[in-house]
Amino acid sequence: AQSVTQPDIHITVSEGASLELRCNYSYGATPYLFWYVQSPGQGLQLLLKYFSGDTLVQGIKGFEAEFKRSQSSFNLRKPSVHWSDAAEYFCAVVRTGGFKTIFGAGTRLFVKA
Amino acid sequence: EAQVTQNPRYLITVTGKKLTVTCSQNMNHEYMSWYRQDPGLGLRQIYYSMNVEVTDKGDVPEGYKVSRKEKRNFPLILESPSPNQTSLYFCASSWGQDPYNSPLHFGNGTRLTVT
Repeated sequence: AQSVTQPDIHITVSEGASLELRCNYSYGATPYLFWYVQSPGQGLQLLLKYFSGDTLVQGIKGFEAEFKRSQSSFNLRKPSVHWSDAAEYFCAVVRTGGFKTIFGAGTRLFVKA
Repeated sequence: EAQVTQNPRYLITVTGKKLTVTCSQNMNHEYMSWYRQDPGLGLRQIYYSMNVEVTDKGDVPEGYKVSRKEKRNFPLILESPSPNQTSLYFCASSWGQDPYNSPLHFGNGTRLTVT
């Protein structure tokens, strides 16, 4: 069965520092991969997505993610974090040919001034 | 403005008192879905609908009902709420079955407390 693992429940980084949020998926083939962000009191917003092609994808708000097939990973990165990036981040997968989105448990990002 | 609208945003109720959480989208999306979000568990799908009059169970459907009589609306019904249904609920919609080209659009959530 498909699954998504986000190993870090929460992460704290200083403003201006770099960020990497980890995501590992379990699926035989390459699934559709997504990162969503949930700001306090808001619904989820799509940051970026990947299915094929260049393994480094760019998203909104300066985020990028890299797909590594050998590691079954799709980690989210940002070179310099801003205080407004404090939110909860969800990795999600959809199996090829399917439509059901499976979400990870989420990683809450705290940003220190 | 394209959006998914849920109401109410906050709801406190008592065990056994039927309630409905409404969800409406103005994007003519075919696919709609309900999720509940619980700490440490992420979002789990309750029910989904591929189109009008077509609904199906997700991962955690027990204790919930849905209907899809119109394309834009997808209400979530709790016939007899229990405390374990205290959660944050999200409605989402998308164009159709291609998740890459039609990712999910989410409402702002409904926080339900059942005492």
